Amino acid sequence: QKEVEQNSGPLSVPEGAIASLNCTYSDRVSQSFFWYRQYSGKSPELIMSIYSNGDKEDGRFTAQLNKASQYVSLLIRDSQPSDSATYLCASYTGGGNKLTFGTGTQLKVEL
Amino acid sequence: SQTIHQWPATLVQPVGSPLSLECTVEGTSNPNLYWYRQAAGRGLQLLFYSVGIGQISSEVPQNLSASRPQDRQFILSSKKLLLSDSGFYLCAWSVGGVMNGYTFGSGTRLTVV
Repeated sequence: QKEVEQNSGPLSVPEGAIASLNCTYSDRVSQSFFWYRQYSGKSPELIMSIYSNGDKEDGRFTAQLNKASQYVSLLIRDSQPSDSATYLCASYTGGGNKLTFGTGTQLKVEL
Repeated sequence: SQTIHQWPATLVQPVGSPLSLECTVEGTSNPNLYWYRQAAGRGLQLLFYSVGIGQISSEVPQNLSASRPQDRQFILSSKKLLLSDSGFYLCAWSVGGVMNGYTFGSGTRLTVV
């Protein structure tokens, strides 16, 4: 049973638009959540972490967490072609030493 | 600064041959270390993790093994590779608990032929 679910995409958005990536999780005790960006052929790179309900902003990126509804989202404002990548959502439930990853959403930003 | 080294970057091995992939971390002590595999077009599969020297937790029973002979060294091995072992192998580390996330190495792309 998967604990972190993501739509595989691809999600296509025009340059300059807002890209919205979503993730749901099944374990209510999940404590921390992370967004990784993975370019084709490269390793994942941590871009955002969020621990509390609400929004967290970092530059063009905003992570949103709603623990009651068990979802996490990542908004990318003013999307650029360089944002085209696969975005992985991950959760940490506590009591263990590992993250649980979703399978990722492919984002394509078109000119 | 903290860095993670993983090598080789690419590897082509025949079926039945042995495998040894090494990962080392610099600039930190007592990290948690992880081995993941990502098959083509698939998600990340946790293979092994280690919270200290000689301590290995196996997540998926298969043709692979892991060892941690030193605090900042993590090795992934196989005695006989299978075609299904092909994939992108990633080492990751965390310090101070997983609640802060992982940092991944650059990965090894293994093709078994």
